[in-house]
Amino acid sequence: DAKTTQPPSMDCAEGRAANLPCNHSTISGNEYVYWYRQIHSQGPQYIIHGLKNNETNEMASLIITEDRKSSTLILPHATLRDTAVYYCIALKGGSEKLVFGKGTKLTVNP
Amino acid sequence: DAGVIQSPRHEVTEMGQEVTLRCKPISGHNSLFWYRQTMMRGLELLIYFNNNVPIDDSGMPEDRFSAKMPNASFSTLKIQPSEPRDSAVYFCASSFRLYGYTFGSGTRLTVV
Repeated sequence: DAKTTQPPSMDCAEGRAANLPCNHSTISGNEYVYWYRQIHSQGPQYIIHGLKNNETNEMASLIITEDRKSSTLILPHATLRDTAVYYCIALKGGSEKLVFGKGTKLTVNP
Repeated sequence: DAGVIQSPRHEVTEMGQEVTLRCKPISGHNSLFWYRQTMMRGLELLIYFNNNVPIDDSGMPEDRFSAKMPNASFSTLKIQPSEPRDSAVYFCASSFRLYGYTFGSGTRLTVV
């Protein structure tokens, strides 16, 4: 599975959009981009995933560049409860071996 | 659905004792995963099962660790004998195909 690179930390003001970048320049055509987050002391939580097209659900939007070398997770109106470590993971279709990196620690400030 | 259920939530044991962690996956999920999380090493995949069969145990640190899944609704992770360096939070997760994993609340293990 392709390596992903994320900034170690980010800050965001409450109510503003949080845009979390992820670089996956070596991603192959059959690798999906998954996002999870882990709120302190809890198990990781699935957020969203995509292959080529942009995706949106009730939690977030995922924007994948046309060349698929990078993506951005968007939390449209961040709240204090969105403070967490966010993980971006590239995973081959058919594979189930989800390997977590260090992620981005997002702090939402009041 | 109650989600992935892990027990116990906390476990404190003495070095050398056997420790058994338990996991009940979500009904209908066909894959189950055991992870360990520490400050130093982050989240590490230890082993995963598909349809109750172990598929990849390359993350199991050593022979002191073993995992079983006797049926679709139950799995155990056993450490025998336990050591202080095994202290960590152990997470179980289950999934169905490519849809996202669902993690349990974890078991915080302290070996003294």
